[in-house]
Amino acid sequence: QKEVEQDPGPLSVPEGAIVSLNCTYSNSAFQYFMWYRQYSRKGPELLMYTYSSGNKEDGRFTAQVDKSSKYISLFIRDSQPSDSATYLCAMNTGNQFYFGTGTSLTVIP
Amino acid sequence: EADIYQTPRYLVIGTGKKITLECSQTMGHDKMYWYQQDPGMELHLIHYSYGVNSTEKGDLSSESTVSRIRTEHFPLTLESARPSHTSQYLCASMPSGTHNEQFFGPGTRLTVL
Repeated sequence: QKEVEQDPGPLSVPEGAIVSLNCTYSNSAFQYFMWYRQYSRKGPELLMYTYSSGNKEDGRFTAQVDKSSKYISLFIRDSQPSDSATYLCAMNTGNQFYFGTGTSLTVIP
Repeated sequence: EADIYQTPRYLVIGTGKKITLECSQTMGHDKMYWYQQDPGMELHLIHYSYGVNSTEKGDLSSESTVSRIRTEHFPLTLESARPSHTSQYLCASMPSGTHNEQFFGPGTRLTVL
């Protein structure tokens, strides 16, 4: 069983839509939960991170963690064509990172 | 924008060649990582380092080596390239005292013929 499961998509939405991206995990020792955005032919860039269960908001992005269900989400409000990218979830135990396979998102103008 | 650099960005090479992928960062980060990324797959950790003269193996380390002689430099060497090494290689760094702020380089796309 993989440590982290992520639906690969692809996901295609119209501009302005609310996007929901999700990951599940199996290791209850994970402490930090991250979301990365990766544009084509680029390295991943850190979007947001959370440490505990609950919500964290940054502009149009909201990260949500539910440790009891081992489930994390990233919500994108008012999606823009510039949000078109692959989104990777990641989590760690402090030293080693575990990544999801990424969800490919296309926002259509 | 993170100051972490990888060269070359693209490399096409024949089987059996020795290659070194370069990674440098100017942020003074102690922790550095090498990952392999294939389409539709999660990032796999190849090697990591927590500081000068410190290197550790990840899941996919058996066919490559790394060195960390200087804080800013973390090269990855494949002694004998094979077609199975064809992949995207990502270097990352992270400052000590944090557990989540990994900064990635742009990657090296390697093709072994």
